[in-house]
Amino acid sequence: DVKVTQSSRYLVKRTGEKVFLECVQDMDHENMFWYRQDPGLGLRLIYFSYDVKMKEKGDIPEGYSVSREKKERFSLILESASTNQTSMYLCASSNLRGYTFGSGTRLTVV
Amino acid sequence: DAKTTQPTSMDCAEGRAANLPCNHSTISGNEYVYWYRQIHSQGPQYIIHGLKNNETNEMASLIITEDRKSSTLILPHATLRDTAVYYCIVRVDKNSGYALNFGKGTSLLVTP
Repeated sequence: DVKVTQSSRYLVKRTGEKVFLECVQDMDHENMFWYRQDPGLGLRLIYFSYDVKMKEKGDIPEGYSVSREKKERFSLILESASTNQTSMYLCASSNLRGYTFGSGTRLTVV
Repeated sequence: DAKTTQPTSMDCAEGRAANLPCNHSTISGNEYVYWYRQIHSQGPQYIIHGLKNNETNEMASLIITEDRKSSTLILPHATLRDTAVYYCIVRVDKNSGYALNFGKGTSLLVTP
C-alpha cells in the first residue's frame, strides 16, 4: 500500500527550539507539500516542492523553511518555535491524479 | 485562483443520499474540481475529480453544471463512517506542480 509517512504523531517542543518535521513518501511522486490545520481555519499551505532541491512558498511560509534533498523526503523546519506554531501539520505528495496525505503530526509548543 | 463556497455543515440520515453542494463561479476553463474528505484525526482522502462531465466512482458521484459554476458531490447511500469534513477544491496550477487550496469545507454528520 502506498504511503506518506510522517515521523512523529505527537511532538512537544519548547519555545525557541529548532524543530524538524520529517515526511517520506514511497510513490516516486514529484510534488510534496506541507500544510497546517487549525480549528476554524481549515488547511493552509505552508510550502511545497515540485522537484528535488526546489521549493515554493505557500500561503503562510513565515517562520518556516523546508528541505528537499531527496525525492522521497520533504522536511519542514521551524527555525525558532513559537507558541503560535502549535498546530496539526500534514504532509502530502501528489501526482496529476491527486494527493496522498500522511496521518499528521500534532505539534505543541510550550 | 478560483475560490469555492460550501455550506458550513449538513446532516444526512444513514442510508439516504448525501448531496453536498459547492459554488465555484470564477472557475476558468482548464481548472478541475476536486473533492476530498477528512475523517477526524486523519489526513484528507481523495474522493473524485472532474472537469466538465459528470463522474462516478466506487465512492461517489460528481455532478458539474453545464456552466461549471457549481457542482454537487453525491454519496448515494450514506453510512455513519461517511461523517467527515468534505472539501471542494479547484485545482490551481503553480509552476511544474500544482497546489490545492483547501477551504473550510462542509462538515457532514450522518445520523442513525
